Amino acid sequence: AQSVAQPEDQVNVAEGNPLTVKCTYSVSGNPYLFWYVQYPNRGLQFLLKYITGDNLVKGSYGFEAEFNKSQTSFHLKKPSALVSDSALYFCALNNDMRFGAGTRLTVKP
Amino acid sequence: DAGVIQSPRHEVTEMGQEVTLRCKPISGHDYLFWYRQTMMRGLELLIYFNNNVPIDDSGMPEDRFSAKMPNASFSTLKIQPSEPRDSAVYFCASSFGSTGSQPQHFGDGTRLSIL
Repeated sequence: AQSVAQPEDQVNVAEGNPLTVKCTYSVSGNPYLFWYVQYPNRGLQFLLKYITGDNLVKGSYGFEAEFNKSQTSFHLKKPSALVSDSALYFCALNNDMRFGAGTRLTVKP
Repeated sequence: DAGVIQSPRHEVTEMGQEVTLRCKPISGHDYLFWYRQTMMRGLELLIYFNNNVPIDDSGMPEDRFSAKMPNASFSTLKIQPSEPRDSAVYFCASSFGSTGSQPQHFGDGTRLSIL
């Protein structure tokens, strides 16, 4: 069965520190993996995607994600967090429009 | 370019009433998706259309829910009769091209409260 999981409900980091939001998946065939961000009272906004090619994908607002086939993971990363990065982050397995449960990122000044 | 437009943004109604949610996708997009977001169940795909034709409605919870797309620029999601457990935020999204490789563009949702 296809699935996508975000093992952490909440991630807290200090401003200026690196951040990681985790995502793991299970799929038959090649995965189409996406990250979205949701701010309060707004719809989801696309950050980046992995379809094929380079395992390190760069996206909007300085975010990047690393595709790891052996670990079936697609973790979202940013070298230096900003307070404005605080939001809800969703990993999606776009093969069947399946979303993870979301991870709430809080960046403290 | 205007994004996906949903109306109304908020809807409060009593149990048993008919509810109609509306969506205008981005011009030129050929896929349209309806999602429901709740704290308990997260983000769930209800139904999606390709070129105005429903492709997969397996996520529609029950017969009280129906969705239509009469043309490329408009879609509705109806609930009749509505129940308190239908309270949620409903999102519409659109995309261009393959469902797998292209990102979805989301509207800002309709917050539905059934009393």
